[in-house]
Formats: sequence, structure tokens, C-alpha cells
Amino acid sequence: EAEVAQSPRYKITEKSQAVAFWCDPISGHATLYWYRQILGQGPELLVQFQDESVVDDSQLPKDRFSAERLKGVDSTLKIQPAELGDSAMYLCASSSPGTVSYEQYFGPGTRLTVT
Amino acid sequence: AQSVTQLDSHVSVSEGTPVLLRCNYSSSYSPSLFWYVQHPNKGLQLLLKYTSAATLVKGINGFEAEFKKSETSFHLTKPSAHMSDAAEYFCVVSARTGGNKLVFGAGTILRVKS
Repeated sequence: EAEVAQSPRYKITEKSQAVAFWCDPISGHATLYWYRQILGQGPELLVQFQDESVVDDSQLPKDRFSAERLKGVDSTLKIQPAELGDSAMYLCASSSPGTVSYEQYFGPGTRLTVT
Repeated sequence: AQSVTQLDSHVSVSEGTPVLLRCNYSSSYSPSLFWYVQHPNKGLQLLLKYTSAATLVKGINGFEAEFKKSETSFHLTKPSAHMSDAAEYFCVVSARTGGNKLVFGAGTILRVKS
């Protein structure tokens, strides 16, 4: 069964350092999402791509976060500089338009700890 | 705008007894509704989804949920809890227009006692 791949699974970094996460969606899925899940809360959408274009980044802290999906396939989320409050699980999901429910498939996540 | 309220942050049941996880939603559009489960150190897995077809939705692992528009509720139930059901459950709403943005509830942690 096809899955969304994410790496690394765990990342520990010091504040003020740069950190990057990678996501490879299910093959053929045009829509890709990055979510942040703070401990004890539900995931919150950071950015949504349709192919290589950003369609929603209203909740992305653009002073320190950036996301790209250059070829419309895999994607990278970067934080620079990292802050203590960025400690969270970062989830990637993908979906394929053309289905009624637009079901999103989630990867295992990257757990970030900022010290 | 869409929002979800999960009425219980923690639910504890004994193995073999019924499970009820409560969810109320708010949506400006005709919503799609989902329940996702998250086991420790695992990704989110879709349990079931409502997309305007039958109001009683059956999902995986014996779970089901009923869409009640008059009550704006989408409660998750299971007749008999199993130890493997212990996890965190998220109720999720999505507008069927406007980019398919998912809005998650805060989650309910289900504990199953032996």
C-alpha cells in the first residue's frame, strides 16, 4: 500500500539553528499539506500545495518558516532560526482531487525538539 | 468557517464495554466529517468519513459514527472496546469547497482498562 514518507522521524536542534524536513507524498497525489501538531492539540495546517503552487499559507509564520515543492512532487519545510516554541510534530499529508471526500493520507511525522 | 469541539479530552472504558467519543461541529458549508486515530509514534489513520451519503457511517475496526445535522454532532461509537483501541482520536471537519482544508478538534485520549 502506498504511503506518505517523511524524514527524519526525529530531530533535536538548538534554538537559532536551521532545520529542514522532507516529505514524499503518495505517487500521483497533486495536493500536499504540512501540519504542525503541538503536544496535546490537534494538527493545524501550515501550508497547502496544489502541484508546485502554494494555495494556502495563511498560518505559516513566514518570518522563519518556508516551504517549497519545486517539481510538484516532494516537498521541504524549513525553519530558520528555530525557537523553543517550534517543538512539535510536523505532519505531511497528501490527497488526490477527483474523489468526493478528498481524503488526506498522513505520513508518520517528524518530531522536532528545540533545546 | 469551520470548527470542531471534542467534548471530552480523556475517556476511560473497560475492555468489552461500549465506547462513545463525542464531537460537535460548526460549518458554514455542507461539511465532510472524519474521525482519525493516532497511536503513539504512529501517523494519523482514517477511521471513517461522512460526505453527504448515509448518515450512519461505518469505519474500520468496528467503529461507526452518526451524522446528526439538527444536533451538529458526529459522535464516534464502538460496541465493545479492545485493548488495541487505546489511542488518541481526532474529529475533523472539512468544507467541501475552498481547498479541502481540514480543521481538527483537540483530540480525545481513549484509555482501555483490562
